Amino acid sequence: DAGVIQSPRHEVTEMGQEVTLRCKPISGHDYLFWYRQTMMRGLELLIYFNNNVPIDDSGMPEDRFSAKMPNASFSTLKIQPSEPRDSAVYFCASSSTSGGFAGELFFGEGSRLTVL
Amino acid sequence: AQSVAQPEDQVNVAEGNPLTVKCTYSVSGNPYLFWYVQYPNRGLQFLLKYITGDNLVKGSYGFEAEFNKSQTSFHLKKPSALVSDSALYFCAVRPFMDSSYKLIFGSGTRLLVRP
Repeated sequence: DAGVIQSPRHEVTEMGQEVTLRCKPISGHDYLFWYRQTMMRGLELLIYFNNNVPIDDSGMPEDRFSAKMPNASFSTLKIQPSEPRDSAVYFCASSSTSGGFAGELFFGEGSRLTVL
Repeated sequence: AQSVAQPEDQVNVAEGNPLTVKCTYSVSGNPYLFWYVQYPNRGLQFLLKYITGDNLVKGSYGFEAEFNKSQTSFHLKKPSALVSDSALYFCAVRPFMDSSYKLIFGSGTRLLVRP
């Protein structure tokens, strides 16, 4: 089975530009999570979805960040406008509650964002 | 507040020696506990989990972890380290009664295994 697929793997952009990160979760998984990883703050949960519905977005830094999940196989994380402090690796992860969910997440390879 | 602590930023061991990566937690009620590993420029990979039952949990790549309720710890161990085990290790917890399915991750411990 294909794992969680993220694109782009690397993105370099200039301050003020719009950035869109994409994620395809594992087929059949009903939870999708967006994390951000930086040296200073470690792993931060930004938002997560259950059955395409946003459940908790309390980790989204500010209004410049938005996330959508239009269907079970696709999610986007958008930053508009981007700022240098948004530079980080953004991970998407998915999981399944079938058979009882305990918390095993499957992570994508990440999207490394650099905002100049 | 619920939290996970990994007190060591880095652990250094020689190849062939046993290794321990420490993790302590603070949650309400019983926890689900996890270890994940991250290799350079890769996403996190699941290693093992504790839900209930035997306090010693075995996982991938020869790793195991011991749940100690009285010490609220879940240390990761391996009897004989390999150079290829060098990576960043994360402990994570999810409160048993938490229906949100969110994991709380520790800050990570870098394991360096020298030849």
